[in-house]
Amino acid sequence: KAGVTQTPRYLIKTRGQQVTLSCSPISGHRSVSWYQQTPGQGLQFLFEYFSETQRNKGNFPGRFSGRQFSNSRSEMNVSTLELGDSALYLCASSIHRDYNSPLHFGNGTRLTVT
Amino acid sequence: GENVEQHPSTLSVQEGDSAVIKCTYSDSASNYFPWYKQELGKGPQLIIDIRSNVGEKKDQRIAVTLNKTAKHFSLHITETQPEDSAVYFCAAGAGIKAAGNKLTFGGGTRVLVKP
Repeated sequence: KAGVTQTPRYLIKTRGQQVTLSCSPISGHRSVSWYQQTPGQGLQFLFEYFSETQRNKGNFPGRFSGRQFSNSRSEMNVSTLELGDSALYLCASSIHRDYNSPLHFGNGTRLTVT
Repeated sequence: GENVEQHPSTLSVQEGDSAVIKCTYSDSASNYFPWYKQELGKGPQLIIDIRSNVGEKKDQRIAVTLNKTAKHFSLHITETQPEDSAVYFCAAGAGIKAAGNKLTFGGGTRVLVKP
C-alpha cells in the first residue's frame, strides 16, 4: 500500500506570495492532518480534515488554510508569505476513529521563503 | 492546552547499550501516547504507541511505559544499533472527540548510536 504522498518536495517562494501544498493520503484513510515543523518551534498542529470538513485547527493565523476533497486528498494554502513561514510542512493521514487514531506522515514539503 | 516536555534533547550511546527517552505531559485527559522516529529527509514514522489503559507495551527491542499518575511516559530501546540513530518524538493525544486526531509533540531527542 502506498504511503502518504506530498507534492512538491521543495518550494522556494518570495515574501508576499502565496503557496499551495498537496497531500494524498493512504488509500482508505479519511482523515488528513497538517503540521508545521521548524527547528525553533518543533512540530506544531495546523489543522485536521475529515469528510471535507475541518474538524480541528491549531493556533496559526488565518493566512494558513486548507481543504479536503471528496477523494480525501488535501491541500493547504499559505497566503502573504512571511520569512517565518519557512518550514517543513508535513501531512499525515489516519483511518478515522472518533479520536486518537495513529497518524502516518508523508515526507513533507520543504518551503523556503526569501 | 496540552504541553509535552521531552528529555534529553540529545543522547549518545554505544552500540549495544540501551537508550531511554522521557516525556511528561500536562493534560490529565490525554490518553494516547505515540512515539515517532524521524530520519534525515523523511517524515516522522510511528514506531510504537500506548493508550492510557495500558502501563507498558513492548515490540521487539522497543518498549514504552506509562505512568498516568505522574503524567509521564518513556521510550526504551535495548541493544541499540547504528540504524537506531535518528530524532525521536513523543506525543500526546487528548482523550476527547472534539480534539480528533490532534497530537501535541515533545521537542525531540536526537539519538546517536556509536559503533
